Amino acid sequence: EPEVTQTPSHQVTQMGQEVILRCVPISNHLYFYWYRQILGQKVEFLVSFYNNEISEKSEIFDDQFSVERPDGSNFTLKIRSTKLEDSAMYFCASSRGRGIGSYEQYFGPGTRLTVT
Amino acid sequence: GQQVMQIPQYQHVQEGEDFTTYCNSSTTLSNIQWYKQRPGGHPVFLIQLVKSGEVKKQKRLTFQFGEAKKNSSLHITATQTTDVGTYFCASRGGSYIPTFGRGTSLIVHP
Repeated sequence: EPEVTQTPSHQVTQMGQEVILRCVPISNHLYFYWYRQILGQKVEFLVSFYNNEISEKSEIFDDQFSVERPDGSNFTLKIRSTKLEDSAMYFCASSRGRGIGSYEQYFGPGTRLTVT
Repeated sequence: GQQVMQIPQYQHVQEGEDFTTYCNSSTTLSNIQWYKQRPGGHPVFLIQLVKSGEVKKQKRLTFQFGEAKKNSSLHITATQTTDVGTYFCASRGGSYIPTFGRGTSLIVHP
């Protein structure tokens, strides 16, 4: 069964450093998403991406965040200058579409980001 | 943005007991999705409800969407230890931005 993959599984970085989290969505999916989940809290939407551009973004997704699809398979989330409060699990997800029948999102296993 | 309130936050049950989690919104929802997240795992899609009053079943799980499309529930009959995890509802409301509830963590005692 196709699945979303993410690398690395755990990333430790120092405050102020840049990090890039990588995701490979399911190959025939068209919409890609990034979420974050602070330990013990709910899943929070960051951004959705379609046709090589951002579709929607939340208030959390400020100027320090950016997303890119550098090739036909990878989807990345860059955090330019990490802060302690960026420590969280970051999930990538993908879906076939956005319509009612195609909106089912498949989540990757996540990247745990620890900022020290 | 769209807000969905989910209760309870935690629920302890003895194996074999039933479990229900509720998701409520002050505004009409275009659809509701339910996800399960095992401890240390990632959210896994369970089901999507779209129609007013819709009821769907998956084995021991029953999902309902309210007539006014402002609330939803997930009911598990005769819980098993494999049901342990956090159950999230999620909805998009009028936009395409998905909003997750805070989740209900189910703890099943053998």
